[in-house]
Amino acid sequence: EAQVTQNPRYLITVTGKKLTVTCSQNMNHEYMSWYRQDPGLGLRQIYYSMNVEVTDKGDVPEGYKVSRKEKRNFPLILESPSPNQTSLYFCASRLQGAGNQPQHFGDGTRLSIL
Amino acid sequence: QQPVQSPQAVILREGEDAVINCSSSKALYSVHWYRQKHGEAPVFLMILLKGGEQKGHDKISASFNEKKQQSSLYLTASQLSYSGTYFCGTEGFMGGKLIFGQGTELSVKP
Repeated sequence: EAQVTQNPRYLITVTGKKLTVTCSQNMNHEYMSWYRQDPGLGLRQIYYSMNVEVTDKGDVPEGYKVSRKEKRNFPLILESPSPNQTSLYFCASRLQGAGNQPQHFGDGTRLSIL
Repeated sequence: QQPVQSPQAVILREGEDAVINCSSSKALYSVHWYRQKHGEAPVFLMILLKGGEQKGHDKISASFNEKKQQSSLYLTASQLSYSGTYFCGTEGFMGGKLIFGQGTELSVKP
């Protein structure tokens, strides 16, 4: 089944403890992206990747890191999480970077940082 | 720059129609529409490309006016299953940055 898989789905952690949210897709998509969703603010793009080893900042990249060493994986790294990063996070992928392709979203990861 | 959606929320009775608007201040290559049910991931509805096209998806259709950088989503004869939050996403000509609006919450009542 074609899908985008995120792990973990839920995480409660403490300020300053490094964490990684994994994202994997099995559709051989070139483009992958991370969003955070907060009430009233919609989906805001954190980082995106047009292809392997190519990443770029979205609108809210501060406090986050990403890497794209393999086509299928695009992990989101919070080196020193803070409470303002408590949010619902979505990973998405699409066939190519061109804007005429639909995006497929993972099921989301709910992060709570105390 | 985040596109602006209107209205922010709308309540309908089954069978009624609704229009959701999405407006951007930037030149656009494409407009995406997604629907999200509570607690679930956004689901793709349709993409419109520059050229002023209109697309349809069952009783849901959309238009894109590239001169005004505006898109509208039309829901006709609404069903209970249409309830959810609708997001428009806009992308410029460079590609890669898909920026979403703040969402429109649609509730369809029996």
